[in-house]
Amino acid sequence: QVQLVESGGALVKPGGSLRLSCAASGFTFSEYFMTWIRQAPGKGLEWISYISSSGNTIYYADSVKGRFTISRDNAKNSLYLHINSLRAEDTAVYYCARGGWGQAPNYWGQGTLVTVSS
Amino acid sequence: EIVLAQSPGTLSLSPGERATLSCRASQTVTGFYLAWYQQKPGQTPRLLIYGASSRATGIPDRFSGRSGSGTDFTLIISRLEPEDFAVYYCLQYGSSPLTFGGGTKVEIK
Repeated sequence: QVQLVESGGALVKPGGSLRLSCAASGFTFSEYFMTWIRQAPGKGLEWISYISSSGNTIYYADSVKGRFTISRDNAKNSLYLHINSLRAEDTAVYYCARGGWGQAPNYWGQGTLVTVSS
Repeated sequence: EIVLAQSPGTLSLSPGERATLSCRASQTVTGFYLAWYQQKPGQTPRLLIYGASSRATGIPDRFSGRSGSGTDFTLIISRLEPEDFAVYYCLQYGSSPLTFGGGTKVEIK
């Protein structure tokens, strides 16, 4: 069955950096767009970024452009999100999901919590 | 960027009643690429509807999606079951950036 498992969330000071990972299994990872979505405590869902199956097409929300970098390793069935210059407003649960532009994200991981606080 | 406005913010209904949730887009949603998700407290969002009106795998037929145009979308729950009380989000995935609506909470009256 399809499984997505995020890791890498942590308590980080403002201005810090982090790398989130998402391990995929149960499907042919290299055939799907992948997406990162976040949810701040008590708030709604916010789409952050997607990457095409080959990695050639990438898009970011304006709120994270220039600070976040999405990448993937199809040989390792893994998705990544590099986060720099963390701000308090980046505090959220970060989900990876299968799908993206033209493909409704239909499988989600359980999420990993990023807390930005001094 | 396509802005999605969901209404109402909160819907107070009783089990067995019909729920009608709205999602209005600021521009035409390309290809009717509009999805609906259900999220319960402490849980991951679950895909209910994609392509504006197609039910995802395993979703009961009391959930249906409609589109009156490329900008007005509706999620209907024909008869609310106790497990349907949750927050519902729409997502457009046809134009970049992808965007979510702010959500509608369906609560027990």
